Amino acid sequence: ETGVTQSPTHLIKTRGQQVTLRCSSQSGHNTVSWYQQALGQGPQFIFQYYREEENGRGNFPPRFSGLQFPNYSSELNVNALELDDSALYLCASSSPGTVSYEQYFGPGTRLTVT
Amino acid sequence: AQTVTQSQPEMSVQEAETVTLSCTYDTSESNYYLFWYKQPPSRQMILVIRQEAYKQQNATENRFSVNFQKAAKSFSLKISDSQLGDTAMYFCAFMNSGNTPLVFGKGTRLSVIA
Repeated sequence: ETGVTQSPTHLIKTRGQQVTLRCSSQSGHNTVSWYQQALGQGPQFIFQYYREEENGRGNFPPRFSGLQFPNYSSELNVNALELDDSALYLCASSSPGTVSYEQYFGPGTRLTVT
Repeated sequence: AQTVTQSQPEMSVQEAETVTLSCTYDTSESNYYLFWYKQPPSRQMILVIRQEAYKQQNATENRFSVNFQKAAKSFSLKISDSQLGDTAMYFCAFMNSGNTPLVFGKGTRLSVIA
């Protein structure tokens, strides 16, 4: 069984630029959730995709957008980067058929905005 | 909205001793799931233990057990026979029933001392 993978591991961007983060879900999972984890904080929910449709969104502005593909992998796009967007971005995959909808996390992408 | 509170930012324990991490939550739901996640310096979020709210029996996974007090909305994690590899951030998390996002606390940094 292949686990959740994320790319890149880390990257550095300049304020105002755009960034795309990628996530491959665990085999058999059709739901991907994205979280932002600021330094010293718990993860905050950004949005969730289920079968290629957005299925819930947290308190993040529209410049945070996403996609889910037919193979259930997903992208997180952030436009007009701000310094406060510096964080660890985690994706987690799950499936409504699993026990308690357990979410399996990837290793994260560390984004630094300068 | 649901909230999760972890009142202990940092804790330490001697190797082989027992430590308890606290978590309280707020919800008006009657059916939900609670989780403890471990995040070592490698950043990968790892599920430690889960509890379904409709189950009265406290969950146990090897050296890890919980004390779930539904009326008090309390969900503490006990780690027995602490090992150096238990050193990590520990996050308490809440999920409504259904394929919904996790709500995390701010975490407790646990250090196991040799």
